[in-house]
Amino acid sequence: DAGVTQSPTHLIKTRGQQVTLRCSPKSGHDTVSWYQQALGQGPQFIFQYYEEEERQRGNFPDRFSGHQFPNYSSELNVNALLLGDSALYLCASSLWGDPATNEKLFFGSGTQLSVL
Amino acid sequence: KNQVEQSPQSLIILEGKNCTLQCNYTVSPFSNLRWYKQDTGRGPVSLTIMTFSENTKSNGRYTATLDADTKQSSLHITASQLSDSASYICVVTLSGGSYIPTFGRGTSLIVHP
Repeated sequence: DAGVTQSPTHLIKTRGQQVTLRCSPKSGHDTVSWYQQALGQGPQFIFQYYEEEERQRGNFPDRFSGHQFPNYSSELNVNALLLGDSALYLCASSLWGDPATNEKLFFGSGTQLSVL
Repeated sequence: KNQVEQSPQSLIILEGKNCTLQCNYTVSPFSNLRWYKQDTGRGPVSLTIMTFSENTKSNGRYTATLDADTKQSSLHITASQLSDSASYICVVTLSGGSYIPTFGRGTSLIVHP
């Protein structure tokens, strides 16, 4: 049973470029959330997708956008990259429903993005 | 101000010793509190989850406690092992339909032989 998989594992971009990160959820899960984790910080919630729609969004600019596909996989797109976008980007999958009954979020290993 | 504060920021202990990590939160209304272990360069892995009505939860050598009145939680690690070296993150989730978990910055634990 494959867990959450993310690609690529590492990525180097320059300022102003655009990037697309990919995530496949754990088998049986239908909800994908994306997080940004700067060095030495806890993860910050970017947004959550369910049924191919953005359901919740954290405090991130609209340079950050996403998509969910019918097979529940998801993409995170970041436009006009800034140096401050350098971080570990984590994807987590779960089953849609009341957070109180949502036992666990399953995280991928992340994509390390470096913006030069 | 971060709504989930963890202490200490970092901790070094010897293998075999016990330790306790702290988490104070101001997030309200509260749904659940989770502790995660995150190895360097990897995604977090869930250790425990507690609702407001629970005050303790164990997972092997890890025991989490929760005091919903004082809004404090602790994670106690017994008989530490070298593999316990990691960042331990406290996560609080709101109730009421808005699913935006709030993460603490984590406590970096180093276990020396």
